[in-house]
Amino acid sequence: GAVVSQHPSRVICKSGTSVKIECRSLDFQATTMFWYRQFPKQSLMLMATSNEGSKATYEQGVEKDKFLINHASLTLSTLTVTSAHPEDSSFYICSAQLASFTDTQYFGPGTRLTVL
Amino acid sequence: AQKVTQAQTEISVVEKEDVTLDCVYETRDTTYYLFWYKQPPSGELVFLIRRNSFDEQNEISGRYSWNFQKSTSSFNFTITASQVVDSAVYFCALSEARLFSGGYNKLIFGAGTRLAVHP
Repeated sequence: GAVVSQHPSRVICKSGTSVKIECRSLDFQATTMFWYRQFPKQSLMLMATSNEGSKATYEQGVEKDKFLINHASLTLSTLTVTSAHPEDSSFYICSAQLASFTDTQYFGPGTRLTVL
Repeated sequence: AQKVTQAQTEISVVEKEDVTLDCVYETRDTTYYLFWYKQPPSGELVFLIRRNSFDEQNEISGRYSWNFQKSTSSFNFTITASQVVDSAVYFCALSEARLFSGGYNKLIFGAGTRLAVHP
């Protein structure tokens, strides 16, 4: 149980284009989903938290207009990197949390974004 | 402020050796949760264990064991008889059990320990 999927697993795009990453909880309903960014050989950095049906809460220093998050249902959250640039190249990981705020976060397999 | 320290950046062992990964945390709260996650080369974080601050009982799961000591604010992870498949980055994380807006908890990750198990 508690499986989270991400799509795509890998994406290469040209500078200036937008990229959408999907995060789905496959066998449970997630009231809260989280988006992280991870640079090579570094820890995870929380970018934003989204609750179904409400606006995402962004961490300090994360550009809201650059990283658009939509949490349309209890099983789906999307992250759109708008007008991507090479510095946005990174490993993006989502996680989903069960109903209770004390529950464990389960992570997706990650999406590797490369912007040329 | 909350903080998680994994002082060991990289550990290299030979198969069948026992290895302990250290984790020290800081928090002002009396109620909190501690986690260990494994990140193999594929990149996906795999949940290993969750422990709440009121449960100091050590846990064993197969070759894995965890030693939680509130007195030293440590939550160490031991792999017994390590195997090549244990090679990964291991993250210790802390979350606080209190209501933020929207009712979610934030995970604070340590820097991770890269474990290499050689045949």
